[in-house]
Amino acid sequence: QQQVKQSPQSLIVQKGGISIINCAYENTAFDYFPWYQQFPGKGPALLIAIRPDVSEKKEGRFTISFNKSAKQFSLHIMDSQPGDSATYFCAASRNSGYALNFGKGTSLLVTP
Amino acid sequence: GEEVAQTPKHLVRGEGQKAKLYCAPIKGHSYVFWYQQVLKNEFKFLISFQNENVFDETGMPKERFSAKCLPNSPCSLEIQATKLEDSAVYFCATATGPNTEAFFGQGTRLTVV
Repeated sequence: QQQVKQSPQSLIVQKGGISIINCAYENTAFDYFPWYQQFPGKGPALLIAIRPDVSEKKEGRFTISFNKSAKQFSLHIMDSQPGDSATYFCAASRNSGYALNFGKGTSLLVTP
Repeated sequence: GEEVAQTPKHLVRGEGQKAKLYCAPIKGHSYVFWYQQVLKNEFKFLISFQNENVFDETGMPKERFSAKCLPNSPCSLEIQATKLEDSAVYFCATATGPNTEAFFGQGTRLTVV
């Protein structure tokens, strides 16, 4: 059973545009929501993470928006660059060391 | 070290053979997680450790999979009698504590033929 649902499956954005990826979860026990970026042949790398006590977190061109009541969170990539082309995964976990529940990933292509 | 070291990078096994994968956590990281990533990008959690103790093994197919994290040794994931469906990339991730950043290794690609 997929505990975190991610959309879209793939996304094509022009250079300089905004990339938006959405995730939804059901388990209200989740309290840690990271986004990972994965390039082919590499392991996932943490981009940015949020906890439910804030509604938005920004780091450089990457912003997470979090809606606790709707149980949704999203990643916005501003001024998208060709180097951002990768697969992005949202994830969620409960507290106290439990494993990440990943979405199915979004393949992002940023065209020049 | 400052990165999660997984060995080998690639492993090819005939159906029914044993496969053993290794993960050296970042120094000071007491949590170790194993995930399986199959072709469609889906991550499946297998097992986690807090130091050498199993923390959560709800994802492990126990009849053929086993894992250990012993002091002063890399952690290991062993698959007895591999099946074609075990072909995947196996990732190890480590963290300093609960809900802190999990650092992933580069993965071991297991191909069962």
